[in-house]
Amino acid sequence: GEDVEQSLFLSVREGDSSVINCTYTDSSSTYLYWYKQEPGAGLQLLTYIFSNMDMKQDQRLTVLLNKKDKHLSLRIADTQTGDSAIYFCAEGDDYKLSFGAGTTVTVRA
Amino acid sequence: DAGVIQSPRHEVTEMGQEVTLRCKPISGHNSLFWYRQTMMRGLELLIYFNNNVPIDDSGMPEDRFSAKMPNASFSTLKIQPSEPRDSAVYFCASTPESGFYNEQFFGPGTRLTVL
Repeated sequence: GEDVEQSLFLSVREGDSSVINCTYTDSSSTYLYWYKQEPGAGLQLLTYIFSNMDMKQDQRLTVLLNKKDKHLSLRIADTQTGDSAIYFCAEGDDYKLSFGAGTTVTVRA
Repeated sequence: DAGVIQSPRHEVTEMGQEVTLRCKPISGHNSLFWYRQTMMRGLELLIYFNNNVPIDDSGMPEDRFSAKMPNASFSTLKIQPSEPRDSAVYFCASTPESGFYNEQFFGPGTRLTVL
């Protein structure tokens, strides 16, 4: 969606950290989301962050939110081959989510 | 639960033909969404149903597209007549009524190719 922008591709070596960045325009969203799409499958919610938080950590995943700059990032520690997928940033309230174009993450050995 | 079920998984048809895509949401979910995914436009929301009633169809491209939800466990998206530019992956998603955040559960998608 035009309200959410993210880079299209990221290549990372196995074991390194991946950082996927996203900028959004709607500052009123209560939650922001990261969805993951594996090949041939639908999107699956990976994690989300409440807009009043700056950071959320969940095992290998760290979400950082900079509300002033409307910037959201997802860090994946110790990236594995199973992390190869398309990652979508999304914002929105009520029923409507605006998705970014998706970042294709390729993990190389 | 089996998750959101979509059929067919792949559809190849010729321009001008009618196409019907089917979706079974997760049992107990009361909201249903149809999305279209293309390389050019990304993921677009076509229509949103709540309790089987269409609430927002502003994303439906044109009159050739129609969607129905006759009951809580079934929805269809119909394209008549189909055109090559309709080629895309069509996703159905559902959400439960409760919850503070909007987790949408996606089906595996139907890959449509219109020749």
